[in-house]
Amino acid sequence: EVQLVESGGGLVQPGGSLRLSCAGSGFTFSSYWMHWVRQAPGKGLVWVSRINSDGYSTSYADSVKGRFTISRDNAKNTLYLQMNSLRAEDTAVYYCARDTGYNTCDYWGQGTLVTVSS
Amino acid sequence: DIQMTQSPSSLSASVGDRVTITCRASQSITKYLNWYQQKPGKAPKLLIYGAFSLQSGVPSRFSGSGSGTDFTLTISSLRPEDFATYYCQQSYSTPWTFGQGTKVEIK
Repeated sequence: EVQLVESGGGLVQPGGSLRLSCAGSGFTFSSYWMHWVRQAPGKGLVWVSRINSDGYSTSYADSVKGRFTISRDNAKNTLYLQMNSLRAEDTAVYYCARDTGYNTCDYWGQGTLVTVSS
Repeated sequence: DIQMTQSPSSLSASVGDRVTITCRASQSITKYLNWYQQKPGKAPKLLIYGAFSLQSGVPSRFSGSGSGTDFTLTISSLRPEDFATYYCQQSYSTPWTFGQGTKVEIK
C-alpha cells in the first residue's frame, strides 16, 4: 500500500525556519517525481514545489522561491521542504504528493500544519 | 502563470442529480487538466487526469471532458458521499495552478 506521511509542522515565529519531511512507503520512491502543495485555512490548494526523481531538477512557486528548498533522500525514501524566512502568509497545511509521471498526483499525504505567528 | 477559473463556486444539489462543474484556463493547456475531490480535513483525491481519464478506483459516475481552455467535470447521479469540494488543476506548465474550488452541498 502506497503511503506518504508528513511531519515537521508546528508553530514558528515570523522570520523563522522549519523543515518538513515526507516519508514514502509501499512504492519505489526513487522512481517518482514528488510535489509539495499547501492549503491555507479555509482556502484553496496552491502548488509549492516539485522535484524530479534523482533530485537534480526542482521548480518553485514564485511566492516561495529563494526561501524554500525542496530536496530528497532516496536512500531514506524521504522528501523534504526546508522553509526559511517564514511569513504569516505561509501558514497552511502542507501536503506532499506523488507524481504519476502523467502530470498529475495520485497519492497524497495527510498533511502537516505550519503556523507562522508571533 | 496560467489562471484557472471554476464555476460555479458552490452549488446545492440533491442525491440523484446530474452535476456539472466547469473550468476555464487563461490559455490553452491542451489536455493537461486534472480534477480532485476534497472532503473537510482530508487530503485531495485524484478523480480525473488528462482531462478525461478516470483514475483507478473512481466510480464511473464521474467523467471529464474538454480540451484547450474549457473543461467539464460531470457527476452523472450524485451520491451522498460526493458532497465535497472539487478542484481543477492544470499541469501543462509550472507553476501548476488550481481553480478556486467548487463546493457541492446538499439541497
